[in-house]
Amino acid sequence: DVKVTQSSRYLVKRTGEKVFLECVQDMDHENMFWYRQDPGLGLRLIYFSYDVKMKEKGDIPEGYSVSREKKERFSLILESASTNQTSMYLCASRRQGGGNTIYFGEGSWLTVV
Amino acid sequence: QQPVQSPQAVILREGEDAVINCSSSKALYSVHWYRQKHGEAPVFLMILLKGGEQKGHEKISASFNEKKQQSSLYLTASQLSYSGTYFCGTASGNTPLVFGKGTRLSVIA
Repeated sequence: DVKVTQSSRYLVKRTGEKVFLECVQDMDHENMFWYRQDPGLGLRLIYFSYDVKMKEKGDIPEGYSVSREKKERFSLILESASTNQTSMYLCASRRQGGGNTIYFGEGSWLTVV
Repeated sequence: QQPVQSPQAVILREGEDAVINCSSSKALYSVHWYRQKHGEAPVFLMILLKGGEQKGHEKISASFNEKKQQSSLYLTASQLSYSGTYFCGTASGNTPLVFGKGTRLSVIA
């Protein structure tokens, strides 16, 4: 069965803290993505990676960075968390190609206080 | 650019039908449909590739008109379990999916 695992379901962090959100997939997928979801705004793309050590900015990359040192792992980093980064974060992966299914992790609810 | 979904919300009684539309300003290669329950991750429903095909999944089906850059999701004889937010995601090629803002569907008894 397809599996995308996000290490933390619920986090509460303080303003200014560095936050790591980890994502692992077990399907040997080339492409991995980070989206954030806010009420009324849908899912917005933060960063994506088409292969190991590669990364591309999505639509809302400001305040975030990513790391992909291994094919199966894609990490989202908030260098200095702010309250406007309180959101649900979704990791996803797919085989290379826009016609392939994207599989989502269960999501990480981040609250920055 | 985000595809536009309509309607934004709809309320149905059990057994009624609904249509959710997804429209893009860009040429599309694929359209993906997902359903999300509150507090859960989006669940894949179906994918349509350019070619105008129609797909079905039990009582849920979808069509894709690549010339009009539109897709529609059809829910027939709705059940309580159909409640949730439906998202379309579009790709113009080997690009990440861009999602619409979602359509909230509520099915009541």
